[in-house]
Amino acid sequence: SQQGEEDPQALSIQEGENATMNCSYKTSINNLQWYRQNSGRGLVHLILIRSNEREKHSGRLRVTLDTSKKSSSLLITASRAADTASYFCATRLTGAQKLVFGQGTRLTINP
Amino acid sequence: ETGVTQSPTHLIKTRGQQVTLRCSSQSGHNTVSWYQQALGQGPQFIFQYYREEENGRGNFPPRFSGLQFPNYSSELNVNALELDDSALYLCASSLDRGRGDTQYFGPGTRLTVL
Repeated sequence: SQQGEEDPQALSIQEGENATMNCSYKTSINNLQWYRQNSGRGLVHLILIRSNEREKHSGRLRVTLDTSKKSSSLLITASRAADTASYFCATRLTGAQKLVFGQGTRLTINP
Repeated sequence: ETGVTQSPTHLIKTRGQQVTLRCSSQSGHNTVSWYQQALGQGPQFIFQYYREEENGRGNFPPRFSGLQFPNYSSELNVNALELDDSALYLCASSLDRGRGDTQYFGPGTRLTVL
């Protein structure tokens, strides 16, 4: 079963608006990462947040992590058509080598 | 571009056949992980290789096997293909088993089993 659950499963917004995606997980983690995937191609790493961090920024991306609630959110500000993609959260469990992915949020930016 | 390459890009096989997928890791990376991504799903961890040894395995049967070579490139072999093996296969390279670090993904191999 998947460790992470993204919410919503699909999101459609107008260009220029902000997009927020959420991820919940079940067990203790070492870090949480967000990836983007365009049209079933390879995954592109966006940002990594460690379990002892609460917020991280990278350009138009803002990620928060609440370990007490076992949840994270990804905010994309001032969205662009090129942001249209599927977004996945992935957790690295404490002591494990693998990344455990959620099912993803499909984001559509309308011009 | 991550510097991780995979071949072939697409592959069509029939049930019962065997397939080999290849991955070249990013320069300097000694760890390769393989993932299976079914349509509409997130990637599922198959196994990881670190310095030519298997270093962790997901919930996949033994007909999924792998190799890592001295130059850290890797192969994924699947025997006795089943229809459910149709998926995008992704490899990811990282340094030192990826502890705390980013995994860099290749573009994937799309496998169709008929």
